[in-house]
Amino acid sequence: AQTVTQSQPEMSVQEAETVTLSCTYDTSESNYYLFWYKQPPSRQMILVIRQEAYKQQNATENRFSVNFQKAAKSFSLKISDSQLGDTAMYFCAFMRDYGQNFVFGPGTRLSVLP
Amino acid sequence: DAGITQSPRYKITETGRQVTLMCHQTWSHSYMFWYRQDLGHGLRLIYYSAAADITDKGEVPDGYVVSRSKTENFPLTLESATRSQTSVYFCASRERQGAGNTIYFGEGSWLTVV
Repeated sequence: AQTVTQSQPEMSVQEAETVTLSCTYDTSESNYYLFWYKQPPSRQMILVIRQEAYKQQNATENRFSVNFQKAAKSFSLKISDSQLGDTAMYFCAFMRDYGQNFVFGPGTRLSVLP
Repeated sequence: DAGITQSPRYKITETGRQVTLMCHQTWSHSYMFWYRQDLGHGLRLIYYSAAADITDKGEVPDGYVVSRSKTENFPLTLESATRSQTSVYFCASRERQGAGNTIYFGEGSWLTVV
C-alpha cells in the first residue's frame, strides 16, 4: 500500500519570502501521479500543482513549483513570493497509474505573516 | 460550470438518526468519491464509485451506505449517526482517464452529531 508523509505539521513564512513544504511517499509502482492541494480556511480543496512521475521536468504553476526526486521518493512544493492568501493547509497526494483512489498525506498548515 | 455541488452544506443531527448527504456533478465524470476530514487524520476515503451501479469500500466505510443509480449523483447515507461521525465530508470526482487524473472536490458538508 502506498503511504504519503508530510513531516512538517506547521510552518510559517514572511510575506514575499519563499517557503518549501516537504512530502515523501512510499510506493513500488514505476508510474504514478503526485499532487499538491491547498485548503484555505473556507475548507475548499484547490488543486495547486500536478506532477506525472514519468516526466523528469519539474512542474511549475506561476509562483508554485515542485522538486520531484523520484529515486528519493520526494515531492516538495516551493512557494515563491508568498502572499497572505497562501495561508492554508497543504496536502500532498499520490495516485498510481490506472489507480482509482488518491492517498493523502496528513497536511502542513502554512501561515503567511505580514 | 457548476462542477460538484454538495447538500446540505451544514447539518446538525442527533445520535441514531439517519442522514443523507447529497452530491451532484455536472461533468459526467466516471469516478466519484466520498472522503471525511478529521483533525489529525487528513482525508480518508469512505466509499468510491467507478461508474453507475458500481461502488466499493474505502478506508473507513463502517456506518455508511452509498448508491449510484445515475452517473451524476452519489449520495452518502449515515444509517444511524454516531458522534464519531461528526466530520467534514467531501465529495469528489474525476474522469476515468486523462486530465492527469486530477480529482475535483465539492465544497464540503459539515456534519455535527449531538
